Amino acid sequence: NAGVTQTPKFQVLKTGQSMTLQCAQDMNHNSMYWYRQDPGMGLRLIYYSASEGTTDKGEVPNGYNVSRLNKREFSLRLESAAPSQTSVYFCASSERVPNTEAFFGQGTRLTVV
Amino acid sequence: QKEVEQDPGPLSVPEGAIVSLNCTYSNSAFQYFMWYRQYSRKGPELLMYTYSSGNKEDGRFTAQVDKSSKYISLFIRDSQPSDSATYLCAMSASGGSTLGRLYFGRGTQLTVWP
Repeated sequence: NAGVTQTPKFQVLKTGQSMTLQCAQDMNHNSMYWYRQDPGMGLRLIYYSASEGTTDKGEVPNGYNVSRLNKREFSLRLESAAPSQTSVYFCASSERVPNTEAFFGQGTRLTVV
Repeated sequence: QKEVEQDPGPLSVPEGAIVSLNCTYSNSAFQYFMWYRQYSRKGPELLMYTYSSGNKEDGRFTAQVDKSSKYISLFIRDSQPSDSATYLCAMSASGGSTLGRLYFGRGTQLTVWP
């Protein structure tokens, strides 16, 4: 039972570098999400994909891009990393129904120096 | 103003205490109310789920929803050190363009000491 798998688990970037965080789910869920979690700020939605082929901005989309590659995979790209993007990133998936449960990956700890 | 407000704590209680965690919200379209538990360095996991107003009990945990006051609570009875975690409230609407999207509070960090 893999659930939601994120790669990598840890990453250190230099300011200005780019990288892509990968996320895959094996539960056949329609909706997928990218959150960042910072101390005292809770989970903040970066982007989400309600269904395959659609993506929408969340609360904090600036500096990020996403791709819903297929129903299973949803990637998050940082084109030019900044220290303010140091955070823990969580991918989640759910069914597109009202009483849905979101399933989370184990997180990616990103440090930008 | 965030749509969901939650006191981040931290909250520290002795083992056996009753813990009360709360959230308020502003969007009257929210119909589904959830509590997620997040252990250190892990992703959040669903703890309890309630639809509309009322109470729901599951073992030592009770979730309450008061839609008239836009206020939800989670009570933990006989708290244990293993309950030490961050508790996040979450809500969703019953339809519309954001169907299925969850709106989270900031989370309350709870420590239960032996």
